Amino acid sequence: DQQVKQNSPSLSVQEGRISILNCDYTNSMFDYFLWYKKYPAEGPTFLISISSIKDKNEDGRFTVFLNKSAKHLSLHIVPSQPGDSAVYFCAASFGSNDYKLSFGAGTTVTVRA
Amino acid sequence: ETGVTQTPRHLVMGMTNKKSLKCEQHLGHNAMYWYKQSAKKPLELMFVYSLEERVENNSVPSRFSPECPNSSHLFLHLHTLQPEDSALYLCASSQFKGATFFGQGTRLTVV
Repeated sequence: DQQVKQNSPSLSVQEGRISILNCDYTNSMFDYFLWYKKYPAEGPTFLISISSIKDKNEDGRFTVFLNKSAKHLSLHIVPSQPGDSAVYFCAASFGSNDYKLSFGAGTTVTVRA
Repeated sequence: ETGVTQTPRHLVMGMTNKKSLKCEQHLGHNAMYWYKQSAKKPLELMFVYSLEERVENNSVPSRFSPECPNSSHLFLHLHTLQPEDSALYLCASSQFKGATFFGQGTRLTVV
């Protein structure tokens, strides 16, 4: 049973515009959330994280929003750049099992010039 | 140099072969992991080592055998694999309650 879901398998956005990636989770015990970016044939690269005590975390062009009541988080990339074209994974963990990340299936982002 | 280094990057092996994947982390982390990524599937956690002790084994077949000789090194020993074991195998490390950092992966093909 997949506890972290990314329901949009792909997203196409024009260069300079905002990319919004969504992620839903079912386990209310999750208290730490992360986004990773992955290029083909490479390992995922950590982008940004957020603890459940916050509802927003920003790092440069990347902002993650957390809505605990809706069990939903999103990643905003603005402005989008061609180098942002990759697969983005949402992940979550909790409490004493914080070493165990549950991943979503990923969203492929394509940034058009 | 990346924080987590995996070798080899690519591996082709027959079903009767024995091979090993190697991982080294230079980040001073206290936990190391093996993940598997198959086509169009989420990343699957295989094994977790925390402070060199295995704390998680996600029902992985015995043809995959992990080894963690110290906090910086992790191996995955492979023997009598099946073609469906072909995948990208990713090593990762983390500090307690910190972000997990991944290596570049080993693309394994079983023929």
